[in-house]
Amino acid sequence: GAGVSQSPSNKVTEKGKDVELRCDPISGHTALYWYRQRLGQGLEFLIYFQGNSAPDKSGLPSDRFSAERTGESVSTLTIQRTQQEDSAVYLCASSLEAESSYNEQFFGPGTRLTVL
Amino acid sequence: AQSVTQLDSHVSVSEGTPVLLRCNYSSSYSPSLFWYVQHPNKGLQLLLKYTSAATLVKGINGFEAEFKKSETSFHLTKPSAHMSDAAEYFCVVTQMFSGGYNKLIFGAGTRLAVHP
Repeated sequence: GAGVSQSPSNKVTEKGKDVELRCDPISGHTALYWYRQRLGQGLEFLIYFQGNSAPDKSGLPSDRFSAERTGESVSTLTIQRTQQEDSAVYLCASSLEAESSYNEQFFGPGTRLTVL
Repeated sequence: AQSVTQLDSHVSVSEGTPVLLRCNYSSSYSPSLFWYVQHPNKGLQLLLKYTSAATLVKGINGFEAEFKKSETSFHLTKPSAHMSDAAEYFCVVTQMFSGGYNKLIFGAGTRLAVHP
């Protein structure tokens, strides 16, 4: 079956512009996560959705970052007034449910964002 | 709070020799631990997971890891490296939150190089 998909795969933008990153989770997965991976580093948690609510936004680095999710489907991560330090790979993951430690998160291929 | 420390940022081995990637964790309760692999330009893939069952966990592609509570370690090993094992490896611990959901806390990663 289809895995987690993300679009675009690459995005180059100018400093100060807004960008939208999209994530399509695996069908039926209620939990959705966004992570950021800076060059040469591990993943940083950004936000978690259960259904279309976001009980944990603690990882969003500033108020320029926001995310929403439509039902148990597509999610978009929006970065306003992009800065060069926002350059990173943004990864999305989904899992069946989050009320257990045992549910595997399946990752998408990521969106590589470059802010010039 | 939970955290993981990957003790080596780079490991280089010859094809056919053993692989050891080291990971220490910190957790205030019995953790779930994972190893993920990231091949260049590909998504993250789960190698194996420990969820309080057997302490020696076998994963895909001949990898295994041993949970040692006394040493707070979860090192990843493989008896004989293959060229296709060259990738970035991440040790991961889950952090539980009220409401039952968990998020993944990633180590900084270890880049494995395999030489002929």
